Amino acid sequence: NAGVMQNPRHLVRRRGQEARLRCSPMKGHSHVYWYRQLPEEGLKFMVYLQKENIIDESGMPKERFSAEFPKEGPSILRIQQVVRGDSAAYFCASSPARGQGETQYFGPGTRLLVL
Amino acid sequence: DAKTTQPPSMDCAEGRAANLPCNHSTISGNEYVYWYRQIHSQGPQYIIHGLKNNETNEMASLIITEDRKSSTLILPHATLRDTAVYYCIVRVAAYSGAGSYQLTFGKGTKLSVIP
Repeated sequence: NAGVMQNPRHLVRRRGQEARLRCSPMKGHSHVYWYRQLPEEGLKFMVYLQKENIIDESGMPKERFSAEFPKEGPSILRIQQVVRGDSAAYFCASSPARGQGETQYFGPGTRLLVL
Repeated sequence: DAKTTQPPSMDCAEGRAANLPCNHSTISGNEYVYWYRQIHSQGPQYIIHGLKNNETNEMASLIITEDRKSSTLILPHATLRDTAVYYCIVRVAAYSGAGSYQLTFGKGTKLSVIP
C-alpha cells in the first residue's frame, strides 16, 4: 500500500515565478492537509481539504497561496510570484474519512528553493 | 489545542529503552495524545496515539497518567535509526470547527541514540 506521495521532491524557482506542489493521498484517504516547515523551525499547518472542498485554511498566507483538491487527481498547493521567504519544506498529510480514524500520515515533502 | 512541554534533548544508549516524557497539563477530556517523529529532514512519521488507556504497537508504547496530564513514549530497544526529533501533540477527537484537526508541532525532543 503506497504511502502519501509528493512531487516534485525538490523544486527551484526564481523570484516571481509560480510553484506548483502536488500531493497524492494514501489509497482510501479523502482528507488532505498541507504544512510548511521553514528552515530550523517546526511544521506549521496551512490548509485542510476534502475532495472539492476547502475545510480550514486558517494557516494559509492571505496572498499568493492557494490550494485545491479536485474530484480527480492530486491535491495542488500553488504559490504565485514566489519570494525568497517561501523557501521551505512543504509537507502533505492525508487521513481517512472523518469518523474512520483521523490519524494524519505524512509524505516525504517538497523542498522549495527560491533564488 | 492544549500546549505540550517536552525536554529539548535526550540521549539513550543503543539497545536500551528510550523514555520520552511529555507534559500536557491543560489537556481536555476530548483530546488525544499523538506522537510523531521526524528523522533528519524527512516527513513526520506517525508513531502512536491514545486517549486514556496505555497503548502499544510494533513501534512503541504510550503510557498516559491517570489524570491525563502527562504521558511517556517508550521505545523498548532503541537503535541508531531511532535518532530523531520526537513530537508530542494533543488534538481534539471530534471536529469542532476551524483549527480542530491541525497538528500543532512544538520544538519536540531531539533524541540521540548513542552506540
